[in-house]
Amino acid sequence: GDSVTQMEGPVTLSEEAFLTINCTYTATGYPSLFWYVQYPGEGLQLLLKATKADDKGSNKGFEATYRKETTSFHLEKGSVQVSDSAVYFCALSDTGGFKTIFGAGTRLFVKA
Amino acid sequence: SAVISQKPSRDICQRGTSLTIQCQVDSQVTMMFWYRQQPGQSLTLIATANQGSEATYESGFVIDKFPISRPNLTFSTLTVSNMSPEDSSIYLCSVATGYSGNTIYFGEGSWLTVV
Repeated sequence: GDSVTQMEGPVTLSEEAFLTINCTYTATGYPSLFWYVQYPGEGLQLLLKATKADDKGSNKGFEATYRKETTSFHLEKGSVQVSDSAVYFCALSDTGGFKTIFGAGTRLFVKA
Repeated sequence: SAVISQKPSRDICQRGTSLTIQCQVDSQVTMMFWYRQQPGQSLTLIATANQGSEATYESGFVIDKFPISRPNLTFSTLTVSNMSPEDSSIYLCSVATGYSGNTIYFGEGSWLTVV
């Protein structure tokens, strides 16, 4: 079945460092891919999405490119801030269906 | 997008009791879902709430434990029945919008602690 694999955390960075959180997926068909963020004590928020190969999703300085050849959707940010400390979830929803499958989540800590 | 409101936002419950969580959406949506997020874990889909018919449950979840109602296109409830400490979780209501590239939006979640 479909699945999402994320790099294990926690990831600890200093402010202004470059961030990469790896995400790979297995799916039949042509899934849509998402990154969600969960700040401490809050619910999930959609961060960005991409619906087809080579699409780049971006928001709040975060970017991720849908790579069909490597089945990847890595999250990147050029300069992280303390306020980016959160748990990040990679997810996919399959074509024609509405189920969303989540990765295990990656906790990010950013130090001042 | 969709704005989703959940009640209660937090509660502490006695074991053996039941609690109903409400989910209200600001627009009509076809697909509504209930997820569980156990402490430190990812999200697990409990069921799809179908308007006008019984919910569709995922493996490991049963109607007797998690009865769901969906009386219209903007509202749903999830009941957690006969609670035990293992039911301590965040319960999240979500909706799907759009046909292609379906995006799931989430409520703030209901944080339940069973003592």
